Amino acid sequence: GAVVSQHPSWVICKSGTSVKIECRSLDFQATTMFWYRQFPKQSLMLMATSNEGSKATYEQGVEKDKFLINHASLTLSTLTVTSAHPEDSSFYICSASLHRGGDLNTEAFFGQGTRLTVV
Amino acid sequence: GQQLNQSPQSMFIQEGEDVSMNCTSSSIFNTWLWYKQDPGEGPVLLIALYKAGELTSNGRLTAQFGTTRKDSFLNISASIPSDVGIYFCAGRNVHFNKFYFGSGTKLNVKP
Repeated sequence: GAVVSQHPSWVICKSGTSVKIECRSLDFQATTMFWYRQFPKQSLMLMATSNEGSKATYEQGVEKDKFLINHASLTLSTLTVTSAHPEDSSFYICSASLHRGGDLNTEAFFGQGTRLTVV
Repeated sequence: GQQLNQSPQSMFIQEGEDVSMNCTSSSIFNTWLWYKQDPGEGPVLLIALYKAGELTSNGRLTAQFGTTRKDSFLNISASIPSDVGIYFCAGRNVHFNKFYFGSGTKLNVKP
């Protein structure tokens, strides 16, 4: 159980176009999903927290108009990179929270990641 | 934001050796998680810890939630080549509904 599927696993797009990445929790409902960006040989940088049915909470320095997040259901969150530029090329990873027996016992399960290359 | 210090940054060990890595935080966490990430993949959850002092094992892996609630360690016993990868700790405080990640420990195992 606790499987998170991210799609696509890689995408190449032209500069100026938009790209949508999907994150699905396959066997559990996730009221909260997280979007991370990871640069080579570095840790995961939290971009935003996505809450089902409400606006996403963005970390400081992350442009909300650039990285649009929609969490329309308890099993799906999407990240859209708008007007992509080469500097947006990166590895994007989502995770979904699973509460086991209350809010204190919470685990995060990750998708496979999406390698975005903007040319 | 919360600061998580993970050490060591990298390790080069011989197959069969035991490995230890740890994370310390500047504040108290309610949950500690340990992940392994292979190149080009998302992190995979190894062990979850919820109580101070808790010691949990998953096969050859053992992790502990520090009694101060500001640290955690992960031990890998009798390492094998497939243990190669990057290990991340993550902490969560219930007041902040998000996970903070350590900088990672890159493990290299020589057959």
